[in-house]
Amino acid sequence: NAGVTQTPKFQVLKTGQSMTLQCAQDMNHNSMYWYRQDPGMGLRLIYYSASEGTTDKGEVPNGYNVSRLNKREFSLRLESAAPSQTSVYFCASSEKPDYGYTFGSGTRLTVV
Amino acid sequence: QQQVKQSPQSLIVQKGGISIINCAYENTAFDYFPWYQQFPGKGPALLIAIRPDVSEKKEGRFTISFNKSAKQFSLHIMDSQPGDSATYFCAATINQAGTALIFGKGTTLSVSS
Repeated sequence: NAGVTQTPKFQVLKTGQSMTLQCAQDMNHNSMYWYRQDPGMGLRLIYYSASEGTTDKGEVPNGYNVSRLNKREFSLRLESAAPSQTSVYFCASSEKPDYGYTFGSGTRLTVV
Repeated sequence: QQQVKQSPQSLIVQKGGISIINCAYENTAFDYFPWYQQFPGKGPALLIAIRPDVSEKKEGRFTISFNKSAKQFSLHIMDSQPGDSATYFCAATINQAGTALIFGKGTTLSVSS
């Protein structure tokens, strides 16, 4: 099925550990996004990539890095995880906002 | 600075009733206003959207009302059903390639049977 695939679905990290969240889309979209979802805070933009080779910071980029590996893949890296990064992370892709965003099913990350 | 403010945070409606969720935005350059629906354990999905050149858009039981001068828009769910129980997010952006949606904080809707 066409869509956005995120891996892993669940992860528990210890404070200070690093990890990379993977995201891949097969819809040939130019733009890809990483959001985090926290209770009462909605969806907050971490980073986005308007096209292959470009990335831009969103509202809450501190503590994260991203890589747009190619047109299909956009990864999010936590270099030194902190408990404040406990969240559900969503990747999305789109050609243009009014074409609709396609979201992945999310990665639930717990940092202890 | 919160660019899109959404209320209420949670809402309980009887089956058959009308659910109303409100949003306000600050950036007058925004020209695209979608609503996304999210079920537990799933990613959000586009529900309905509006542009500022119209004041209302209806799709089935879902209607967006838009007030450009007040910089506000709202989602109305008519004849609410238990299957509508979900989290709803309003959003806004400048509709061009390379921009990103700014989401509100979400409203959790529960429709009681």
